[in-house]
Amino acid sequence: KNEVEQSPQNLTAQEGEFITINCSYSVGISALHWLQQHPGGGIVSLFMLSSGKKKHGRLIATINIQEKHSSLHITASHPRDSAVYICAVTFRNTDKLIFGTGTRLQVFP
Amino acid sequence: SAVISQKPSRDICQRGTSLTIQCQVDSQVTMMFWYRQQPGQSLTLIATANQGSEATYESGFVIDKFPISRPNLTFSTLTVSNMSPEDSSIYLCSAGGGRNSPLHFGNGTRLTVT
Repeated sequence: KNEVEQSPQNLTAQEGEFITINCSYSVGISALHWLQQHPGGGIVSLFMLSSGKKKHGRLIATINIQEKHSSLHITASHPRDSAVYICAVTFRNTDKLIFGTGTRLQVFP
Repeated sequence: SAVISQKPSRDICQRGTSLTIQCQVDSQVTMMFWYRQQPGQSLTLIATANQGSEATYESGFVIDKFPISRPNLTFSTLTVSNMSPEDSSIYLCSAGGGRNSPLHFGNGTRLTVT
């Protein structure tokens, strides 16, 4: 069964802290996406990964294909990072996107 | 990368009426997708909008309730018909997300049905 699990569901942090959000999936994938959703509802694509590691500013995304696991890291977190972070996976056997339930991050000054 | 303009951004509608949501992409895309996000939930795919053919609906969604148009490779509409309060959700359109294809989303339509 094609499943995506994210943890934690909710996360609070003080400004400056290092943040890690985890995503696990059940079977082989074509690609994994990390998305950011702000309170207004709009969604921004942060990363698309099929292997290895990507970095953009303070954000780092890694994926371990053998362990079927990905992490999103935020270094030096800031209140403007407060959002819901969603992991979405395109499974190789269906080509459809399956979304994780999201991680609600709040960063306090 | 594609930019998707979605409108309206929000609306408050009365029970029994219909609302049409529009998405315009600034480049040609083969497939567009329509999602629903109920309060506190993740995204659920409603249908895939194909240009030149009928949309493909996911289990639990039907054309009579959510008719979709895709007249060309840059535009699509989703209509939420005969609305009830249970239809109150955020509706999002997207493109991409296939093999090696980045995801792009519209800014969403926050629908409240009273």
